[in-house]
Amino acid sequence: QVQLVQSGAEVKKPGASVKVSCKASGYTFTSYGISWVRQAPGQGLEWMGWISAYNGNTNYAQKLQGRVTMTTDTSTSTAYMELRSLRSDDTAVYYCARGYCTNGVCYPAFDIWGQGTMVTVSS
Amino acid sequence: SYELTQPPSVSVSPGQTARITCSGDALPKQYAYWYQQKPGQAPVLVIYKDSERPSGIPERFSGSSSGTTVTLTISGVQAEDEADYYCQSADSSGTSHVVFGGGTKLTVL
Repeated sequence: QVQLVQSGAEVKKPGASVKVSCKASGYTFTSYGISWVRQAPGQGLEWMGWISAYNGNTNYAQKLQGRVTMTTDTSTSTAYMELRSLRSDDTAVYYCARGYCTNGVCYPAFDIWGQGTMVTVSS
Repeated sequence: SYELTQPPSVSVSPGQTARITCSGDALPKQYAYWYQQKPGQAPVLVIYKDSERPSGIPERFSGSSSGTTVTLTISGVQAEDEADYYCQSADSSGTSHVVFGGGTKLTVL
């Protein structure tokens, strides 16, 4: 079945970096984009950015420009999100999500989500 | 930056109709999407392109759009519909940035 499986929980100190992986299966990886969305405890959803699995083009949320890098490895159908200079307010569940395409049209929405990766930033 | 505004909470009795609104200046130009999120789970897409239902989503979920406001309607609400609902759209300024509303907690009384 179509699924995205993310790496496990992380605990990091302020100022460190974290890299979360998202392995896709059950579909042609390069035919869809992947977005990353985070959710702080008890808070709403925040879009972090998008990467094309076809050509690696990226589009990052302005708030995270300079701190976030999204990449893909097409040989393993895996997407990665690296966040640097971590702060306490980066503590959140991080989701990868596949772009939604139907009837030959792709929309800026997300139909398949990973299970989430909890990243805790604490000294 | 572009914002989408939702009411924090909506309450409804089982069998009644729940309506959750989402307002944003760019909604006349950009489609809206709706997600359902239950505690401890990833969001699920329930409406795309303002009013279309992905396969597998029950018919009681519907969406509509009027000017700068979109509405998610859940007809014949069931206990299992209790969840957080988020609207989502894209910035119309050419950045293609995605934005989520703050979320609405639907309580089934």
